[in-house]
Amino acid sequence: AQSVTQLGSHVSVSEGALVLLRCNYSSSVPPYLFWYVQYPNQGLQLLLKYTSAATLVKGINGFEAEFKKSETSFHLTKPSAHMSDAAEYFCAVSDRRGGSQGNLIFGKGTKLSVKP
Amino acid sequence: DTEVTQTPKHLVMGMTNKKSLKCEQHMGHRAMYWYKQKAKKPPELMFVYSYEKLSINESVPSRFSPECPNSSLLNLHLHALQPEDSALYLCASSQEGGGYRELFFGEGSRLTVL
Repeated sequence: AQSVTQLGSHVSVSEGALVLLRCNYSSSVPPYLFWYVQYPNQGLQLLLKYTSAATLVKGINGFEAEFKKSETSFHLTKPSAHMSDAAEYFCAVSDRRGGSQGNLIFGKGTKLSVKP
Repeated sequence: DTEVTQTPKHLVMGMTNKKSLKCEQHMGHRAMYWYKQKAKKPPELMFVYSYEKLSINESVPSRFSPECPNSSLLNLHLHALQPEDSALYLCASSQEGGGYRELFFGEGSRLTVL
Protein backbone atom coordinates (compact mmCIF):
# COMPACT_ATOMS: atom_id res chain seq x y z
CA ALA A 1 0.00 0.00 0.00
CA GLN A 2 1.12 3.52 -0.70
CA SER A 3 1.38 6.29 1.88
CA VAL A 4 3.07 9.62 2.47
CA THR A 5 4.24 11.28 5.67
CA GLN A 6 4.70 15.01 5.95
CA LEU A 7 7.11 16.06 8.67
CA GLY A 8 5.95 19.19 10.45
CA SER A 9 2.34 20.25 10.54
CA HIS A 10 3.35 23.91 10.63
CA VAL A 11 6.38 25.64 9.12
CA SER A 12 7.08 29.33 9.56
CA VAL A 13 9.64 31.25 7.49
CA SER A 14 10.52 34.88 6.92
CA GLU A 15 9.81 36.52 3.61
CA GLY A 16 12.78 35.90 1.32
CA ALA A 17 13.94 32.82 3.21
CA LEU A 18 14.22 29.27 1.90
CA VAL A 19 11.09 27.18 2.05
CA LEU A 20 11.54 23.46 2.76
CA LEU A 21 8.54 21.22 3.24
CA ARG A 22 9.29 17.57 3.89
CA CYS A 23 7.55 14.51 2.49
CA ASN A 24 8.52 10.86 2.75
CA TYR A 25 6.72 8.13 0.91
CA SER A 26 6.13 4.44 1.27
CA SER A 27 5.32 2.41 -1.79
CA SER A 28 5.73 -1.16 -2.93
CA VAL A 29 5.84 -0.03 -6.55
CA PRO A 30 7.54 2.96 -8.22
CA PRO A 31 5.50 5.88 -6.91
CA TYR A 32 3.82 8.77 -8.65
CA LEU A 33 4.15 11.73 -6.29
CA PHE A 34 2.44 15.10 -6.21
CA TRP A 35 2.49 18.35 -4.29
CA TYR A 36 -0.72 20.34 -4.04
CA VAL A 37 -1.37 23.73 -2.45
CA GLN A 38 -4.63 24.83 -0.85
CA TYR A 39 -5.37 28.46 -0.06
CA PRO A 40 -8.04 29.20 2.56
CA ASN A 41 -11.55 28.27 1.50
CA GLN A 42 -10.38 27.03 -1.88
CA GLY A 43 -9.78 23.75 -3.66
CA LEU A 44 -6.41 22.14 -4.31
CA GLN A 45 -4.04 23.31 -7.01
CA LEU A 46 -1.26 21.16 -8.41
CA LEU A 47 2.24 22.55 -7.82
CA LEU A 48 4.23 19.74 -9.41
CA LYS A 49 4.38 16.00 -9.94
CA TYR A 50 6.95 13.22 -10.21
CA THR A 51 6.25 10.45 -12.70
CA SER A 52 9.75 8.95 -13.06
CA ALA A 53 10.89 11.09 -16.00
CA ALA A 54 13.30 13.31 -14.03
CA THR A 55 14.23 13.32 -10.37
CA LEU A 56 14.29 17.11 -10.07
CA VAL A 57 10.86 18.46 -10.85
CA LYS A 58 10.07 22.12 -11.36
CA GLY A 59 6.61 23.41 -10.69
CA ILE A 60 4.61 26.60 -10.65
CA ASN A 61 5.30 29.67 -8.54
CA GLY A 62 9.03 28.89 -8.25
CA PHE A 63 8.62 25.61 -6.38
CA GLU A 64 10.61 22.48 -7.10
CA ALA A 65 11.00 19.03 -5.58
CA GLU A 66 13.60 16.32 -5.79
CA PHE A 67 12.78 12.63 -5.81
CA LYS A 68 15.33 10.66 -3.80
CA LYS A 69 14.71 6.95 -3.92
CA SER A 70 17.46 6.13 -1.43
CA GLU A 71 15.81 8.39 1.13
CA THR A 72 12.21 7.71 0.02
CA SER A 73 11.73 11.46 0.01
CA PHE A 74 10.10 14.09 -2.17
CA HIS A 75 10.75 17.37 -0.36
CA LEU A 76 9.35 20.64 -1.70
CA THR A 77 11.58 23.71 -1.84
CA LYS A 78 11.47 27.33 -2.92
CA PRO A 79 14.55 29.56 -2.72
CA SER A 80 12.77 32.71 -1.57
CA ALA A 81 9.41 32.79 0.19
CA HIS A 82 6.74 35.33 -0.70
CA MET A 83 3.87 36.39 1.51
CA SER A 84 1.54 34.91 -1.11
CA ASP A 85 3.01 31.44 -0.46
CA ALA A 86 1.21 31.20 2.89
CA ALA A 87 -1.13 28.24 2.49
CA GLU A 88 -1.60 24.56 3.28
CA TYR A 89 0.60 22.17 1.31
CA PHE A 90 -0.23 18.52 0.71
CA CYS A 91 2.08 15.80 -0.51
CA ALA A 92 0.25 12.94 -2.21
CA VAL A 93 0.98 9.58 -3.77
CA SER A 94 -1.07 7.91 -6.43
CA ASP A 95 -3.09 4.97 -5.18
CA ARG A 96 -2.39 2.17 -7.60
CA ARG A 97 -5.48 0.14 -6.74
CA GLY A 98 -7.45 -0.96 -9.76
CA GLY A 99 -4.63 -0.15 -12.15
CA SER A 100 -5.92 2.85 -13.96
CA GLN A 101 -7.51 5.14 -11.42
CA GLY A 102 -5.56 8.20 -10.43
CA ASN A 103 -6.90 8.38 -6.90
CA LEU A 104 -4.55 10.20 -4.54
CA ILE A 105 -3.54 9.40 -0.98
CA PHE A 106 -2.71 12.60 0.85
CA GLY A 107 -0.35 13.38 3.68
CA LYS A 108 -1.70 15.28 6.67
CA GLY A 109 -0.58 18.60 5.25
CA THR A 110 1.86 21.33 6.27
CA LYS A 111 0.68 24.83 6.92
CA LEU A 112 3.22 27.37 5.71
CA SER A 113 3.29 30.78 7.35
CA VAL A 114 5.40 33.60 5.93
CA LYS A 115 6.46 36.43 8.23
CA PRO A 116 7.18 39.90 6.83
CA ASP B 1 -10.39 25.80 -20.09
CA THR B 2 -9.03 23.72 -17.24
CA GLU B 3 -11.76 24.13 -14.69
CA VAL B 4 -13.90 22.02 -12.43
CA THR B 5 -17.01 23.86 -11.32
CA GLN B 6 -18.87 22.97 -8.16
CA THR B 7 -22.26 24.24 -7.02
CA PRO B 8 -23.38 25.40 -4.59
CA LYS B 9 -20.34 26.91 -2.88
CA HIS B 10 -22.13 26.87 0.46
CA LEU B 11 -25.02 24.72 1.64
CA VAL B 12 -26.79 24.62 4.98
CA MET B 13 -29.23 21.81 5.53
CA GLY B 14 -31.19 20.18 8.29
CA MET B 15 -30.86 16.54 9.17
CA THR B 16 -34.11 15.67 7.39
CA ASN B 17 -33.43 17.57 4.19
CA LYS B 18 -32.53 16.19 0.79
CA LYS B 19 -30.05 18.19 -1.23
CA SER B 20 -27.52 17.65 -3.98
CA LEU B 21 -24.03 18.84 -4.76
CA LYS B 22 -23.12 19.25 -8.41
CA CYS B 23 -19.81 19.12 -10.26
CA GLU B 24 -19.06 19.80 -13.90
CA GLN B 25 -15.92 19.60 -16.02
CA HIS B 26 -15.34 20.22 -19.71
CA MET B 27 -11.80 18.92 -20.06
CA GLY B 28 -12.82 15.59 -21.57
CA HIS B 29 -11.75 13.74 -18.44
CA ARG B 30 -13.21 10.28 -17.95
CA ALA B 31 -12.48 9.85 -14.24
CA MET B 32 -14.26 11.90 -11.58
CA TYR B 33 -13.92 11.88 -7.82
CA TRP B 34 -15.62 13.03 -4.63
CA TYR B 35 -13.46 13.85 -1.65
CA LYS B 36 -14.49 14.97 1.83
CA GLN B 37 -12.27 17.37 3.77
CA LYS B 38 -12.79 18.18 7.44
CA ALA B 39 -11.21 21.28 8.92
CA LYS B 40 -7.42 21.09 9.20
CA LYS B 41 -7.39 17.59 7.69
CA PRO B 42 -6.37 16.22 4.28
CA PRO B 43 -8.99 15.28 1.71
CA GLU B 44 -10.36 11.77 2.06
CA LEU B 45 -11.64 9.82 -0.91
CA MET B 46 -15.32 8.98 -1.03
CA PHE B 47 -16.08 7.82 -4.58
CA VAL B 48 -14.40 7.35 -7.94
CA TYR B 49 -16.20 7.15 -11.27
CA SER B 50 -14.42 5.82 -14.31
CA TYR B 51 -16.15 6.12 -17.67
CA GLU B 52 -19.37 6.96 -15.84
CA LYS B 53 -19.30 3.79 -13.79
CA LEU B 54 -18.68 3.70 -10.05
CA SER B 55 -15.29 2.07 -9.56
CA ILE B 56 -14.44 2.88 -5.95
CA ASN B 57 -16.73 3.43 -2.97
CA GLU B 58 -14.73 3.94 0.20
CA SER B 59 -17.40 2.41 2.44
CA VAL B 60 -19.30 5.67 2.48
CA PRO B 61 -22.63 5.65 4.38
CA SER B 62 -25.69 5.29 2.17
CA ARG B 63 -26.91 8.75 3.13
CA PHE B 64 -24.41 9.89 0.48
CA SER B 65 -25.46 8.78 -2.99
CA PRO B 66 -23.26 9.59 -6.00
CA GLU B 67 -24.45 9.83 -9.55
CA CYS B 68 -22.63 10.35 -12.84
CA PRO B 69 -25.26 11.24 -15.47
CA ASN B 70 -22.64 11.74 -18.20
CA SER B 71 -18.92 12.15 -18.62
CA SER B 72 -19.02 15.84 -17.70
CA LEU B 73 -21.27 15.77 -14.66
CA LEU B 74 -21.01 14.33 -11.19
CA ASN B 75 -23.61 14.68 -8.47
CA LEU B 76 -23.64 13.85 -4.80
CA HIS B 77 -27.11 13.39 -3.36
CA LEU B 78 -27.45 14.01 0.34
CA HIS B 79 -30.19 12.70 2.61
CA ALA B 80 -30.59 12.37 6.37
CA LEU B 81 -27.13 13.70 7.08
CA GLN B 82 -25.62 14.08 10.51
CA PRO B 83 -23.89 17.16 11.95
CA GLU B 84 -20.56 15.33 11.70
CA ASP B 85 -21.00 15.27 7.93
CA SER B 86 -20.34 19.00 7.89
CA ALA B 87 -17.22 19.45 5.76
CA LEU B 88 -15.81 20.76 2.50
CA TYR B 89 -16.75 18.44 -0.33
CA LEU B 90 -14.30 18.50 -3.20
CA CYS B 91 -14.89 17.24 -6.70
CA ALA B 92 -11.97 16.36 -8.95
CA SER B 93 -11.41 14.97 -12.41
CA SER B 94 -8.54 13.39 -14.31
CA GLN B 95 -7.74 11.78 -17.59
CA GLU B 96 -7.93 8.02 -17.64
CA GLY B 97 -4.95 5.84 -18.25
CA GLY B 98 -2.80 5.64 -15.20
CA GLY B 99 -1.98 7.01 -11.81
CA TYR B 100 0.51 9.54 -13.15
CA ARG B 101 -2.37 11.75 -14.22
CA GLU B 102 -2.92 14.68 -11.91
CA LEU B 103 -6.30 15.46 -10.43
CA PHE B 104 -7.94 18.80 -11.14
CA PHE B 105 -9.98 20.01 -8.19
CA GLY B 106 -12.95 22.29 -7.92
CA GLU B 107 -13.16 24.93 -5.21
CA GLY B 108 -15.46 22.77 -3.14
CA SER B 109 -18.90 22.94 -1.63
CA ARG B 110 -18.91 23.79 2.05
CA LEU B 111 -21.68 21.86 3.74
CA THR B 112 -23.11 22.63 7.16
CA VAL B 113 -25.59 20.17 8.67
CA LEU B 114 -27.69 21.56 11.51
